[in-house]
Amino acid sequence: SQQGEEDPQALSIQEGENATMNCSYKTSINNLQWYRQNSGRGLVHLILIRSNEREKHSGRLRVTLDTSKKSSSLLITASRAADTASYFCATGFDRGSTLGRLYFGRGTQLTVWP
Amino acid sequence: NAGVTQTPKFQVLKTGQSMTLQCAQDMNHNSMYWYRQDPGMGLRLIYYSASEGTTDKGEVPNGYNVSRLNKREFSLRLESAAPSQTSVYFCASSESNPRWNSPLHFGNGTRLTVT
Repeated sequence: SQQGEEDPQALSIQEGENATMNCSYKTSINNLQWYRQNSGRGLVHLILIRSNEREKHSGRLRVTLDTSKKSSSLLITASRAADTASYFCATGFDRGSTLGRLYFGRGTQLTVWP
Repeated sequence: NAGVTQTPKFQVLKTGQSMTLQCAQDMNHNSMYWYRQDPGMGLRLIYYSASEGTTDKGEVPNGYNVSRLNKREFSLRLESAAPSQTSVYFCASSESNPRWNSPLHFGNGTRLTVT
């Protein structure tokens, strides 16, 4: 499969703690994106990191990319109850018939308890 | 600014019935997509349209047809619904050509049950 795979499948933490989710993939990518999905809603784009970048920040979000290990991590600092959602990584590939497609993983369900 | 609007929100069909899922975006985006989301499977691309007048198959196109009616609208048609098509369907759009993997903007989905 060309999908990214998130780990863990589920994560439960207290408000104020940091949450770390990981994504692994198998083939060379053009970029990797993270999305959030609240229950019953569509996905919302959080951050995009290109294959030549190693780290990006956006507010309380920090994304790293290690192309040698084919993995990425999403860190949410000082979590809030409102961060409760499913988080997906999506990988974009740079060659062949997969050009132009984003492949989504199965997601990590994050629960933040007040 | 509504973003991506999908109709209907919910639908129940009997096996063999047909229906069209509607999607419209008001962001002047060039590309539009249809995904399905199944438990434990993540999102899978059904069809996409890189620009008005073009459509291409994704990972799971069988049993579906699409129409890019104009720049704003992209519809998904099930000609003869099957229980395997029970899923949540998401429409999405992006500003630029899919090859640049620009961020996707999603609608809130259509929950389809086929009995």
